[in-house]
Amino acid sequence: AQSVTQLGSHVSVSEGALVLLRCNYSSSVPPYLFWYVQYPNQGLQLLLKYTSAATLVKGINGFEAEFKKSETSFHLTKPSAHMSDAAEYFCAVSDNTDKLIFGTGTRLQVFP
Amino acid sequence: SQTIHQWPATLVQPVGSPLSLECTVEGTSNPNLYWYRQAAGRGLQLLFYSVGIGQISSEVPQNLSASRPQDRQFILSSKKLLLSDSGFYLCAWSGTTRETQYFGPGTRLLVL
Repeated sequence: AQSVTQLGSHVSVSEGALVLLRCNYSSSVPPYLFWYVQYPNQGLQLLLKYTSAATLVKGINGFEAEFKKSETSFHLTKPSAHMSDAAEYFCAVSDNTDKLIFGTGTRLQVFP
Repeated sequence: SQTIHQWPATLVQPVGSPLSLECTVEGTSNPNLYWYRQAAGRGLQLLFYSVGIGQISSEVPQNLSASRPQDRQFILSSKKLLLSDSGFYLCAWSGTTRETQYFGPGTRLLVL
């Protein structure tokens, strides 16, 4: 069965610092992988997705993620954090059905 | 372009009262539709999904039910709410299997 593990329920960085949010997955089929962002009291917004094309995926708001099959990872990065990046981030994997399996989320705090 | 609506945005209901949350999608035909619940401090739990009118799959046995009376309408219901039904309810749609899911703005439900 597919699963997603997000290491660190809370991550804090200073404005301008590197953002690194970790995601590891398990999948019995070639995975489709997604990162979503959720701002307070809002729905989830797609940041980026991997669908077996280029392993480095660029998304919105300056975020990117690299698919590493050998490490079963899909970590999310951004070179320089902005205050507006403070939100909750969810990694998800798609199996070969109609469902997404979500991680438990990582809350990102950005300090001035 | 496609849009997804949920209402109401917030709801406060007494224990034992009925519930009806509505989700509608515009700008697409025959979408897959999903209901998720997000409890405080927890990730997303898939409750129901539907691949067509009248076709509902339940992921978690519980006090809730779902119906899809029209192609782009998905309803979440309960006959008698429990305290544990409190949470943030999110509706989502996708085009086909393994495609991106797009989320609505959510409904905040508080059961007192």
